[in-house]
Amino acid sequence: AQSVSQHNHHVILSEAASLELGCNYSYGGTVNLFWYVQYPGQHLQLLLKYFSGDPLVKGIKGFEAEFIKSKFSFNLRKPSVQWSDTAEYFCATLNDYKLSFGAGTTVTVRA
Amino acid sequence: EAQVTQNPRYLITVTGKKLTVTCSQNMNHEYMSWYRQDPGLGLRQIYYSMNVEVTDKGDVPEGYKVSRKEKRNFPLILESPSPNQTSLYFCASSFGQGLEAFFGQGTRLTVV
Repeated sequence: AQSVSQHNHHVILSEAASLELGCNYSYGGTVNLFWYVQYPGQHLQLLLKYFSGDPLVKGIKGFEAEFIKSKFSFNLRKPSVQWSDTAEYFCATLNDYKLSFGAGTTVTVRA
Repeated sequence: EAQVTQNPRYLITVTGKKLTVTCSQNMNHEYMSWYRQDPGLGLRQIYYSMNVEVTDKGDVPEGYKVSRKEKRNFPLILESPSPNQTSLYFCASSFGQGLEAFFGQGTRLTVV
């Protein structure tokens, strides 16, 4: 079954800085990739998803992700973060009816 | 408002005392699932259900039971909770495979 891995456990940056979070998936073939965000004390919300087509995916709140098949990557980006982007971010892939999540990356944005 | 509702939000219990965490969705979704979230491990699927009376094990089913008697409800049952089941639990639902999953607010369970 396909899996995803996130290598950044905790990222700290200042407001207006650019953000990029890494996500790698385990093998090729059909991919269904997601990024979810969990704000402090809240449930997970979908930021964006990729199934096929344009490898640059636009999501909510100014986030985007790029699917790079040759690198097995699906990195999340935001050009300019705000304090309200402080949250935990999860990359996930779909295997049949199961979402498999990465370990998550905690992002702390300093005002 | 479309939502997934879990109850209770917080629960402290003792080892061996049976408990049920309820999950209800009002979106007529066919697919529902339970996850537990632990630091450094992300979310791991416990059980899922593709429709009424159809359930299957996820990655970490040991110590848990589920039932799906109605489309909207998917309770998680811990027959004999143990301290290693202390975790944050999320219920999720979606219309089907590959579609956006909506998550509940979470249930923080502590087993002492």
